[in-house]
Amino acid sequence: QKEVEQNSGPLSVPEGAIASLNCTYSDRGSQSFFWYRQYSGKSPELIMFIYSNGDKEDGRFTAQLNKASQYVSLLIRDSQPSDSATYLCAAGGDYGQNFVFGPGTRLSVLP
Amino acid sequence: DGGITQSPKYLFRKEGQNVTLSCEQNLNHDAMYWYRQDPGQGLRLIYYSQIVNDFQKGDIAEGYSVSREKKESFPLTVTSAQKNPTAFYLCASSIGGSTNYGYTFGSGTRLTVV
Repeated sequence: QKEVEQNSGPLSVPEGAIASLNCTYSDRGSQSFFWYRQYSGKSPELIMFIYSNGDKEDGRFTAQLNKASQYVSLLIRDSQPSDSATYLCAAGGDYGQNFVFGPGTRLSVLP
Repeated sequence: DGGITQSPKYLFRKEGQNVTLSCEQNLNHDAMYWYRQDPGQGLRLIYYSQIVNDFQKGDIAEGYSVSREKKESFPLTVTSAQKNPTAFYLCASSIGGSTNYGYTFGSGTRLTVV
């Protein structure tokens, strides 16, 4: 059974701090990794994806991938109250392999 | 603009009634998916389709049915056999059947049993 695990939270950080969200996956064949943000009552929206080991930065967001440790993380710098949401980690693969989603981590950024 | 349209946004079902949730995409994506999300929980796969006229059961297919007669459309029917259908339903699509490019999600349908 392919699994993606995340701490459910809630993770609370003060405004302006760095929020660190973590995710582990069980399938070494997973090739791509995605972070989705989901506001309450809304559908998930893609915020970052990463395919290669190392860091990938996009604005205030940095995704980190370590395939040897089967570990993915998302860092949010200068956290804002508008970042308060549930963050879903997902692992993807080739044709015929469906996404495996983690349960999500609820982030709360306190003003 | 390209995207996925789900309708209706809210749906109420009476006990013993079948209801159909619509999902239409104009992204020219080959693969389409249906997920269910319960409060405070992650996404669970109901059905998916990689090509027209073909679909596969996901992890929780019992009580649901789908069709894929057109590339653009992937409707989900919640049958009376689904005993606890109250949930948030999400439709998604991906390019070429490979999840390496990520999913695009619709805005969701919230189904409530009354």
